[in-house]
Amino acid sequence: GNSVTQMEGPVTLSEEAFLTINCTYTATGYPSLFWYVQYPGEGLQLLLKATKADDKGSNKGFEATYRKETTSFHLEKGSVQVSDSAVYFCALRGSNTGKLIFGQGTTLQVKP
Amino acid sequence: DTGVSQDPRHKITKRGQNVTFRCDPISEHNRLYWYRQTLGQGPEFLTYFQNEAQLEKSRLLSDRFSAERPKGSFSTLEIQRTEQGDSAMYLCASSKVGGQGPDNEQFFGPGTRLTVL
Repeated sequence: GNSVTQMEGPVTLSEEAFLTINCTYTATGYPSLFWYVQYPGEGLQLLLKATKADDKGSNKGFEATYRKETTSFHLEKGSVQVSDSAVYFCALRGSNTGKLIFGQGTTLQVKP
Repeated sequence: DTGVSQDPRHKITKRGQNVTFRCDPISEHNRLYWYRQTLGQGPEFLTYFQNEAQLEKSRLLSDRFSAERPKGSFSTLEIQRTEQGDSAMYLCASSKVGGQGPDNEQFFGPGTRLTVL
């Protein structure tokens, strides 16, 4: 079945450091890929998405490129801020369903 | 506020009791989803509806769980004979999809935290 694997956290970075959170997936067909973020005390929010191979999703300085050849959707940001501290979830939606399948989440802590 | 709302936000119950949660989606959204999230894990799909029709249900969902969306608006999730393993955050999400087109963004509610003693 379809699945998502994320790098384990927590990830601790200093402000302005470069961020990469790895995400790989297993899926049949042509899934859509997502990154969701959960800030402390808040609900899940969509951060960015990509619906087909080679698409790049971007939002708030974060980027992720849908790589079908490596079945990956790594999240990157060039310069993190303290306000980026949150839990980040990679997710996929199969081509014939509405349900999302999530990874286990990666906690990011950014220190000033 | 026109976001997804869930009620109650917290529920503490004793093992063996029944509990019911409610979700009110964004008003124009025709799809409604239920997920469960345990500490340190990502949300796990339970079931989803398009209007009042239940389109998919996780095989992990035991017979003690039932969900309804009788009028295609709000939804309820009932857990019968609760067990300690049911303790989790129950999340509801909604989205709008038209015809055979792709599903649009799922908007999540704040969740209902269930504690089974």
